[in-house]
Amino acid sequence: DVKVTQSSRYLVKRTGEKVFLECVQDMDHENMFWYRQDPGLGLRLIYFSYDVKMKEKGDIPEGYSVSREKKERFSLILESASTNQTSMYLCASSRPRPANTGELFFGEGSRLTVL
Amino acid sequence: GQQVMQIPQYQHVQEGEDFTTYCNSSTTLSNIQWYKQRPGGHPVFLIQLVKSGEVKKQKRLTFQFGEAKKNSSLHITATQTTDVGTYFCAKGGNQFYFGTGTSLTVIP
Repeated sequence: DVKVTQSSRYLVKRTGEKVFLECVQDMDHENMFWYRQDPGLGLRLIYFSYDVKMKEKGDIPEGYSVSREKKERFSLILESASTNQTSMYLCASSRPRPANTGELFFGEGSRLTVL
Repeated sequence: GQQVMQIPQYQHVQEGEDFTTYCNSSTTLSNIQWYKQRPGGHPVFLIQLVKSGEVKKQKRLTFQFGEAKKNSSLHITATQTTDVGTYFCAKGGNQFYFGTGTSLTVIP
């Protein structure tokens, strides 16, 4: 059974803290994605990666960075957390390119609260 | 941004009534996908449409892709309480940009 695992379901951090959100997939997918989900705004793409050490900005990359050192792991980093980054963060993976027909497999999500 | 527009944002229906959500893009789409997210859950893939004018059915769910490949719809016939959740469209490609979603509430 395919699996995308996010390291933390719930996190509470303080403003200015550095936050790491980890995501691991066991499907040997090359594509991995980070979204944030907010009421009324749907899922907004933060960053994505097609391969190890490769990353591309999505719609809302400001305030975030990512790391893809290994194929199965894609980390989202908040260098200095702010209250407007309080959100649900969803990681996803999909089949290798040129699979623009590949479905996304999502993790359970990480709900981050920044105080 | 790259998001697609989706309407309505919310829909409340009596059990047994039909439901439709619409997805619109200003640009031609190579393909479109639909996902369902149950309350407290994560989005789960339902279907992908690729061809102009394509219609696909999954039991009570009917998915359509517009002739111009700029819009799509999801129609549920005779809703049930198990249909509750948020339905998202996503424009395919390498980046998978999502619509804003339609939250469906089914009143028993």
